[in-house]
Amino acid sequence: AQSVTQPDIHITVSEGASLELRCNYSYGATPYLFWYVQSPGQGLQLLLKYFSGDTLVQGIKGFEAEFKRSQSSFNLRKPSVHWSDAAEYFCAAMDGGRRALTFGSGTRLQVQP
Amino acid sequence: NAGVTQTPKFQVLKTGQSMTLQCAQDMNHNSMYWYRQDPGMGLRLIYYSASEGTTDKGEVPNGYNVSRLNKREFSLRLESAAPSQTSVYFCASSEGVGQPVREKLFFGSGTQLSVL
Repeated sequence: AQSVTQPDIHITVSEGASLELRCNYSYGATPYLFWYVQSPGQGLQLLLKYFSGDTLVQGIKGFEAEFKRSQSSFNLRKPSVHWSDAAEYFCAAMDGGRRALTFGSGTRLQVQP
Repeated sequence: NAGVTQTPKFQVLKTGQSMTLQCAQDMNHNSMYWYRQDPGMGLRLIYYSASEGTTDKGEVPNGYNVSRLNKREFSLRLESAAPSQTSVYFCASSEGVGQPVREKLFFGSGTQLSVL
């Protein structure tokens, strides 16, 4: 079955520190991959997406993600975290035929001053 | 810019009651979706509509029905609410035409539903 796994339920980092959120997928072929962010009480906002080509993709708010086919991973990174980055982050995937996203269970990011 | 509008924002039901969650988008999007969000489980797709006049089941369709009333509106109905349907419900839409490279979901702000 197709699935998206985010191994870390909760991560705490200090402001200014680097961040990496993990995402692994299980699909028959390479799916389209996305990262969304959800601030408290809000809907989800797209950070970035990968379809093909360059395996390092840049997104909004200084985030980037790297697609690694050999590891079936699409990890999200940010060099220096800001307090406003505290939120829940969701990795998602979509196969080309079904056109509906499958989400991971999310990683809640807490930022310490 | 309204985007995706969901009503109501909060609802409390008793077991067995029925209700309809409304969703409308003003972006002329073709595809619309209903997700539920539960702690530790992320978002799970209930139903989606790839275009006006079509609907398809997602991962967790049991206990729900949907109607794509027109291109703008996509409603979710609970015929006989159960405590297991206590959740936060999100409606979303996307352009959903042709190349998936343009796919980006726009989400509403959610409906918090409690079934007692």
